[in-house]
Amino acid sequence: DAGVIQSPRHEVTEMGQEVTLRCKPISGHNSLFWYRQTMMRGLELLIYFNNNVPIDDSGMPEDRFSAKMPNASFSTLKIQPSEPRDSAVYFCASSGQGALTEAFFGQGTRLTVV
Amino acid sequence: LAKTTQPISMDSYEGQEVNITCSHNNIATNDYITWYQQFPSQGPRFIIQGYKTKVTNEVASLFIPADRKSSTLSLPRVSLSDTAVYYCLVGGHQAGTALIFGKGTTLSVSS
Repeated sequence: DAGVIQSPRHEVTEMGQEVTLRCKPISGHNSLFWYRQTMMRGLELLIYFNNNVPIDDSGMPEDRFSAKMPNASFSTLKIQPSEPRDSAVYFCASSGQGALTEAFFGQGTRLTVV
Repeated sequence: LAKTTQPISMDSYEGQEVNITCSHNNIATNDYITWYQQFPSQGPRFIIQGYKTKVTNEVASLFIPADRKSSTLSLPRVSLSDTAVYYCLVGGHQAGTALIFGKGTTLSVSS
């Protein structure tokens, strides 16, 4: 397996534009996590899914952020409209049945909003 | 989820053994202790997991005392490439459990 695949690796966009980040989890994994990492706030859990169902989205900073998982092999994180303070590295991770079994992270998407 | 406390940073030299301790006073009976490692510009990577006593793999050892209120990650003979942030997580194995990271410990290894 190629591991967790995120796209794009880098994204530069202007304030106010819509941004969509994509994630393909490892085949067979049941849980998927979206994180945001900045120097100031560290690694923050935004939302996580189990069997394609959102379990907890309390980490989503505001209504501008939304996430979907239409099937077991694909998830998106959308920011609309984007703001400069959204600049961060966004990670997607997946794990097998039973969380806190080993979770695998993607390479991340570095988002810059200017 | 049990709250964890670990040192913000540690310094070491190549070849030394490094021990990073994590406190988790409110650990629940069915909670496991997991450690992750993160290099710059990469996502975290699973290192080791344990429930009690000692666990050892090719990368590290994890020591957990009987009361399980703390744990120690031991890295034998560190090298420059072990410079990274190390995170301690505590939680259960139930499906749908969140994976929440604290601030972690930044380990700097120098020659």
